Amino acid sequence: AQKVTQAQTEISVVEKEDVTLDCVYETRDTTYYLFWYKQPPSGELVFLIRRNSFDEQNEISGRYSWNFQKSTSSFNFTITASQVVDSAVYFCALSGAFSGTYKYIFGTGTRLKVLA
Amino acid sequence: DSGVTQTPKHLITATGQRVTLRCSPRSGDLSVYWYQQSLDQGLQFLIQYYNGEERAKGNILERFSAQQFPDLHSELNLSSLELGDSALYFCASSLFGRANTGELFFGEGSRLTVL
Repeated sequence: AQKVTQAQTEISVVEKEDVTLDCVYETRDTTYYLFWYKQPPSGELVFLIRRNSFDEQNEISGRYSWNFQKSTSSFNFTITASQVVDSAVYFCALSGAFSGTYKYIFGTGTRLKVLA
Repeated sequence: DSGVTQTPKHLITATGQRVTLRCSPRSGDLSVYWYQQSLDQGLQFLIQYYNGEERAKGNILERFSAQQFPDLHSELNLSSLELGDSALYFCASSLFGRANTGELFFGEGSRLTVL
């Protein structure tokens, strides 16, 4: 079965600290996609990044970076020099054709609080 | 603005009642997904439609039903409402149909409160 685990329920950091949000996924399939979404206090989920299973190259976008490691089935998200505006719930997701059925599975989310 | 429109944004009703939530997907997107987000819980997948046909089904209760119309908008019907149905219901759309491998564009959600 497929599963996404975000073990960190809530993280609090002080502004300008770096923070890493963990995501561990489970699947036996070789082709799949991983995502991160942000849900700010306003409620609407916003897409941040997509990564396919064949591309383990890490990605950096401004203060955001993602570390994809197939060996540990992890797709971690790091925010450098956090800001109050980064306060949100962050969801990791897994999608693909699993046993012939396409699924889009979300983790339970990590609530990040950045304190001024 | 994701381009996905959900109405109503807020809804308060009583137990036993029936409500309909509406979703208009992003222009050009054929797939619509419904998710339920209860307090302090993650996103629970309910159902997906692609071009009018049911594509995938998740943990959707029998009291709930959905459909996607020819103009691609979708409705989620919730009946015999219980207190536990209080949640934020999200609609999302995607450019990809058969393969759920693309990003999802989410609406702002419909917050349902059952009293």
